[in-house]
Amino acid sequence: EIQLVASGGGLVKPGESLRLSCVASGFTVTNAWENWVRQAPGKGLEWVGRIKSKTDGGAIDYAAPVKGRFTISRDESKNTLYLQMNSLKVEDTAVYYCSNGWGWFGPWGQGTLVTVSP
Amino acid sequence: DIVMTQSPDSLAVSLGERATISCKSSQSVLYASNNKNFLAWYQQRPGQPPKLLMYWTSTRESGVPDRFSGSGSGTDFTLTISSLQAEDVAIYYCQQYYSTPPTFGPGTKVEIK
Repeated sequence: EIQLVASGGGLVKPGESLRLSCVASGFTVTNAWENWVRQAPGKGLEWVGRIKSKTDGGAIDYAAPVKGRFTISRDESKNTLYLQMNSLKVEDTAVYYCSNGWGWFGPWGQGTLVTVSP
Repeated sequence: DIVMTQSPDSLAVSLGERATISCKSSQSVLYASNNKNFLAWYQQRPGQPPKLLMYWTSTRESGVPDRFSGSGSGTDFTLTISSLQAEDVAIYYCQQYYSTPPTFGPGTKVEIK
């Protein structure tokens, strides 16, 4: 069974950094397209970025609002996906989900809450 | 970016009745080379992560009840719940994966009347 468990969220101030982790089981992270999707409190879903599978070249794409501030990576030895978030802004406050998929997304992890507040 | 819109914002349906949700994309998500629409649907119950319901417009994910069906092509799509059950209370999102960035509709909240 495929499972994704995200962690690392917390309360930070604007301008600070945070690294989220997503531990995968039931598959190898390098064999899948892995995505981060966020959801601000009471709002809809927003794609943050993705890393393609190794066989598809491993390229990384980001949404415009986070490009240059967020970095997606993965560690095959730990079967874990990461989201390094720098220069955080109040508007980055959201639950961050990791999810598999090159087009549609599934399954999804439970998510981890990131709160950016002065 | 492709902009996704949904209507209505919310709807209340009696148990056992039909619920219909509309989703529109700002440009066609039909890929001519394979004649497939790059459109997915998700269900998000309160306090839960989203759950994939459907992809390629109308292909149900494993385990999704057959009371859920998807239809449409090009820029206009519909998710239908043929007989609403209590466990279907949720927000439903459409999503296009025709182009990067993948984008979601704003969601439609389904409640029991």
